[in-house]
Amino acid sequence: DGGITQSPKYLFRKEGQNVTLSCEQNLNHDAMYWYRQDPGQGLRLIYYSQIVNDFQKGDIAEGYSVSREKKESFPLTVTSAQKNPTAFYLCASTPRGRGSYNEQFFGPGTRLTVL
Amino acid sequence: AQSVTQLGSHVSVSEGALVLLRCNYSSSVPPYLFWYVQYPNQGLQLLLKYTTGATLVKGINGFEAEFKKSETSFHLTKPSAHMSDAAEYFCAVSEADMGRRALTFGSGTRLQVQP
Repeated sequence: DGGITQSPKYLFRKEGQNVTLSCEQNLNHDAMYWYRQDPGQGLRLIYYSQIVNDFQKGDIAEGYSVSREKKESFPLTVTSAQKNPTAFYLCASTPRGRGSYNEQFFGPGTRLTVL
Repeated sequence: AQSVTQLGSHVSVSEGALVLLRCNYSSSVPPYLFWYVQYPNQGLQLLLKYTTGATLVKGINGFEAEFKKSETSFHLTKPSAHMSDAAEYFCAVSEADMGRRALTFGSGTRLQVQP
């Protein structure tokens, strides 16, 4: 079955450590996104990538980094520069073309907790 | 710039009662509109979407929404609530701008269904 996988489901980090969240999709989608979700704030865009080897900052990119070396993969690194990283992180993807109407498909999420 | 407002961060209904979740948007061009549902510690699942054509859109699980351009609204309804409908619901808007192709989300409405 096609879909988006995120790992791990739960992640604990000590202050000062970098951690990488995995996002893999086998939907053959071109664009991929990372969102951060905090209670009562909806989803906020961190980074997005429309094509391999290219990505852009979203609304809250400070303290995060990404790479897009393969179409299927879009890992997110939460660096020690992110002051408040405890949150639920969601990865999403969209196929190319106007027929997609920008509908996004979501992974199951990773809950990151800083100890 | 596009934006989404969801009125009511929490809505409580009795089982069998009408569900009405409100969503208003702002967009400088004809929008694409979405409703997603999220169960605890899971990703987002598409309920329904409006792209073009018929303004009354039917989705999964008995939900429907009506696009009203004059009111810039896209309210979600279900005639009879079920206990399994308890979840958080997000309204999202996208413009036909292929440059970014990200969604702008509302802050969410948590639906509680009382027995």
